[in-house]
Formats: sequence, C-alpha cells, structure tokens
Amino acid sequence: GESVGLHLPTLSVQEGDNSIINCAYSNSASDYFIWYKQESGKGPQFIIDIRSNMDKRQGQRVTVLLNKTVKHLSLQIAATQPGDSAVYFCAENGYNQGGKLIFGQGTELSVKP
Amino acid sequence: GAGVSQSPSNKVTEKGKDVELRCDPISGHTALYWYRQSLGQGLEFLIYFQGNSAPDKSGLPSDRFSAERTGGSVSTLTIQRTQQEDSAVYLCASSFPGVNSPLHFGNGTRLTVT
Repeated sequence: GESVGLHLPTLSVQEGDNSIINCAYSNSASDYFIWYKQESGKGPQFIIDIRSNMDKRQGQRVTVLLNKTVKHLSLQIAATQPGDSAVYFCAENGYNQGGKLIFGQGTELSVKP
Repeated sequence: GAGVSQSPSNKVTEKGKDVELRCDPISGHTALYWYRQSLGQGLEFLIYFQGNSAPDKSGLPSDRFSAERTGGSVSTLTIQRTQQEDSAVYLCASSFPGVNSPLHFGNGTRLTVT
C-alpha cells in the first residue's frame, strides 16, 4: 500500500554542521507534509510543515524541501546543536486519507559535541 | 492545560486484563487521533475522531480495541483481554479541523502487558 519512508535510519553529525534528513513518499495524492521531532519519553513535536503548492519553506534554523517530481521530502537543520538529537519523522496527510497522518519509520539524529 | 494530556503515563497490566487509556485534547481542537508506537518504530494510526462525524476506525488492529470520545472532548481508548503484543506507547493527538492542520501530541501512555 501507500507509505511514507525514510532513506537513512541513523545520522550522526558534528555540532555546528548542517544536517539533512530525507524522506520518500509514494502517495502522489498527498498534498500536505509535516516534520516531527521526538525526544526520548516524549510525544512527537511539530517542527515545520509544507503544502504541495510549495517547494521550500523555512523556519528557525530549519528548512523543508519538497520535490513532487520524485516524491521526496527533506529536512535541513542549520548549525546542528546537541539539543537537536532526537528521532525525526516525516508524515503525509494525503488528500484521500480522510485526514489522518501517515508516518514514516523515523531517522535518529545524533549530534556529537 | 496548554497541551494534550494523557493518563496514566505508565500502565503495567497482566495478560487478559482490560485497560483504559485517557486523552484530554487541547481546548478547541475538534479532531482527535490515537496512534500506537512500538519500541524503535514509527507511529501506527489507530483511530480518528472529527467533530460529530463517524470516527475512522480503519487502524484498529482487532475488535479488542475500541475508543470513544464523549462530548467532543475527552477520549478513552480501551483494550480488552490484553495480549503481550499490545505492549507499546499509545499516543493521542489533537488538531483543529481540516486536512492541513498539524497534530499536537501528548507524551503518551506506555503500556506493558506481562
């Protein structure tokens, strides 16, 4: 069936470097995408979202890129900090999904001081 | 409160017992979701309530699972005759209506079935 998945299960970066977390989706009807951050013992925390009529959106230190041609989503974190260490999930809220979010498996980001 | 509240935060139960998990959504959020997260895994959709519409139960894994939402606010997820494979973190989220509204999650209930 349709699914959202991640290319890399783990990512280790040096503090201060930029991080890029990738996500592939297969539902061509998806029109809304969200990135979540989940720290140990907590629920997922909203980071940034993007609609399908955009290809880039920036937040504070984060940028989400959407390439609908190849059904690819990425999250870029600038000047990665130890506090960014967490599991990151992409999720899609497809037009034909009735409102529910479909999550990928997650990428664990580890920031080395 | 300011966020989604779930209780209890941890629950240990014996196989075969029934459990009830509670979720208090953010005030004004008409949409409410339950997800399940096994250790080191992604989030598995269980059920979705939107206002007065019939809930989307397509993610419930078996008829031992049920959920209700009273008065359009608090929700209870019930698992009957619990099995060891039910052990997971159960996450509740709420949002404003509309397919383009981000979900706000609680910290979950960690269920352990012994």
